[in-house]
Amino acid sequence: GESVGLHLPTLSVQEGDNSIINCAYSNSASDYFIWYKQESGKGPQFIIDIRSNMDKRQGQRVTVLLNKTVKHLSLQIAATQPGDSAVYFCAENMAGGYNKLIFGAGTRLAVHP
Amino acid sequence: GAGVSQSPSNKVTEKGKDVELRCDPISGHTALYWYRQRLGQGLEFLIYFQGNSAPDKSGLPSDRFSAERTGESVSTLTIQRTQQEDSAVYLCASSLASWASGNTIYFGEGSWLTVV
Repeated sequence: GESVGLHLPTLSVQEGDNSIINCAYSNSASDYFIWYKQESGKGPQFIIDIRSNMDKRQGQRVTVLLNKTVKHLSLQIAATQPGDSAVYFCAENMAGGYNKLIFGAGTRLAVHP
Repeated sequence: GAGVSQSPSNKVTEKGKDVELRCDPISGHTALYWYRQRLGQGLEFLIYFQGNSAPDKSGLPSDRFSAERTGESVSTLTIQRTQQEDSAVYLCASSLASWASGNTIYFGEGSWLTVV
């Protein structure tokens, strides 16, 4: 079946650098996308979302970009901090009024001092 | 409550035993979800409740798995005759009514199940 996947299983960055986590989705009917952060031993925490009628959305230190042409989603974290170390999941929600999320496998972000 | 509450936080059980996992959603959230997460993997959808509508059970892996929800509050996920492959974190989440796609889904901390 269609699913969300991630390009990189692990991303290592230096503290202070910008991080980019990528995600590919295959369901063209999806109209809503979310990034979650999951720290060790905790549940996923909402970071930022974007609807399919947008290309870009910014939050505090984070930006999500959506390229519907190539079905690609990315999460940019500015000035990465040690506290950003976690596993990041992208998820898609198919259109139709049902808030059922399909998650990718996740990318681990490791921030080094 | 302030967030999604799950209990127990940790459960070790013997193979073949039944277990019950409980979820208290955020007050006012009519949609409730159960996901399973195996170690080092992504989240696997199990079941979804929305108000008094029939639940979407399409993600339940076998008939050993079942879930109930009382109205728009507490939900219980039951695993019968547990197997070692059932060892995982079981995450509960809730959101406002899901007919409006885009309602943020909030997760609990999960119930860590270990079958020995």
